[in-house]
Amino acid sequence: AQSVTQLGSHVSVSEGALVLLRCNYSSSVPPYLFWYVQYPNQGLQLLLKYTSAATLVKGINGFEAEFKKSETSFHLTKPSAHMSDAAEYFCAVKLVWYSGGGADGLTFGKGTHLIIQP
Amino acid sequence: NAGVTQTPKFQVLKTGQSMTLQCAQDMNHEYMSWYRQDPGMGLRLIHYSVGAGITDQGEVPNGYNVSRSTTEDFPLRLLSAAPSQTSVYFCASSARDRPNYGYTFGSGTRLTVV
Repeated sequence: AQSVTQLGSHVSVSEGALVLLRCNYSSSVPPYLFWYVQYPNQGLQLLLKYTSAATLVKGINGFEAEFKKSETSFHLTKPSAHMSDAAEYFCAVKLVWYSGGGADGLTFGKGTHLIIQP
Repeated sequence: NAGVTQTPKFQVLKTGQSMTLQCAQDMNHEYMSWYRQDPGMGLRLIHYSVGAGITDQGEVPNGYNVSRSTTEDFPLRLLSAAPSQTSVYFCASSARDRPNYGYTFGSGTRLTVV
């Protein structure tokens, strides 16, 4: 079974400051890892994904994340926060698909609400 | 491309009523899934399907039924709505041969059971 822990239900940073959102996962097999963003009253938008090709992953809107197997972490960062980054962020894990039937679905963390102070 | 389309966007039900949440995708994705989102709980998997005619339970399946007769559609049925099913429901799809491409989500259905 897999699980995702996001540390901090709310994170507040000043505009222009570094954004760091933490995600730790637990998985018995190599995972695919994703970060999604949700703006108020909207659906989920994919920010970036880890697919084992590179440990440092760049996504949209200036975000990036680094996969660290030894720490089972996939933290999301952005060098300089913008007011438009205020949203809910979700880390999610999916077991690598295997042949012979397969299963599906993402396991999500509980989310981190990012607040940007002017 | 429309992507993943969910209807209705909003719904109010009385306890004990039944309804079907619709989900359709036009990307020929084999995989489809339903999630519910509750405050402080993130999104939790209700049911999923890996192809037409194949469905299975996720983390929170009780009170929900699904079927998948076509690749495009994956409806979620509430047979007897309960206040505990008040939530925002999301449908998602992904391609079987590209499991690392992530999921495309619909815009959600906000359901209130009174």
